[in-house]
Amino acid sequence: DARVTQTPRHKVTEMGQEVTMRCQPILGHNTVFWYRQTMMQGLELLAYFRNRAPLDDSGMPKDRFSAEMPDATLATLKIQPSEPRDSAVYFCASGPSRDRGRSGNQPQHFGDGTRLSIL
Amino acid sequence: GQQVMQIPQYQHVQEGEDFTTYCNSSTTLSNIQWYKQRPGGHPVFLIQLVKSGEVKKQKRLTFQFGEAKKNSSLHITATQTTDVGTYFCAGTKWIYNQGGKLIFGQGTELSVKP
Repeated sequence: DARVTQTPRHKVTEMGQEVTMRCQPILGHNTVFWYRQTMMQGLELLAYFRNRAPLDDSGMPKDRFSAEMPDATLATLKIQPSEPRDSAVYFCASGPSRDRGRSGNQPQHFGDGTRLSIL
Repeated sequence: GQQVMQIPQYQHVQEGEDFTTYCNSSTTLSNIQWYKQRPGGHPVFLIQLVKSGEVKKQKRLTFQFGEAKKNSSLHITATQTTDVGTYFCAGTKWIYNQGGKLIFGQGTELSVKP
């Protein structure tokens, strides 16, 4: 059963440290999303890639966050320097190509998430 | 802003009772998706509605998309303890130069008392 793989599953580190989260999208999916989930804000879209190109990162704090797709099988989300308010669950999701000619979208397949705690 | 509002935030029911969560947008949506997230888990896609007035059923779950494509609902008949979790709606809004953007509601957390 194809699935999105995220590593690490858990991360605890001190503020100021660099944090790197990795995601392997489902083979053949060319859209990748990074979400952050907290009790207060719910699910927030941080960044969105299609065919490895960043299309929307308006939800991401640019000063400390960066998202990249070095290749089609790997997406990364980095926080440098990390702060306690970054503590959250970070989800990666992937989906098949969107057809611009139709009103429909494609379902997103979520990974298990990275539970990040910044002390 | 680009928001999709979902109510209620929490719902506690007795097993066997029905449950409904509502999703509203101030602007027209291209489609609406519904996801379920079990406690400690990740969101899992349930269904997608595209057409105005569309109704789809999955066993005890009934999904509706409003005629104006601005609202949607999920109704669960005779809840079971396995229905526990948070239900999210997510609407697609087309944004110039970005294509379709999926915007999640805040979710409705359902608890079921045996």
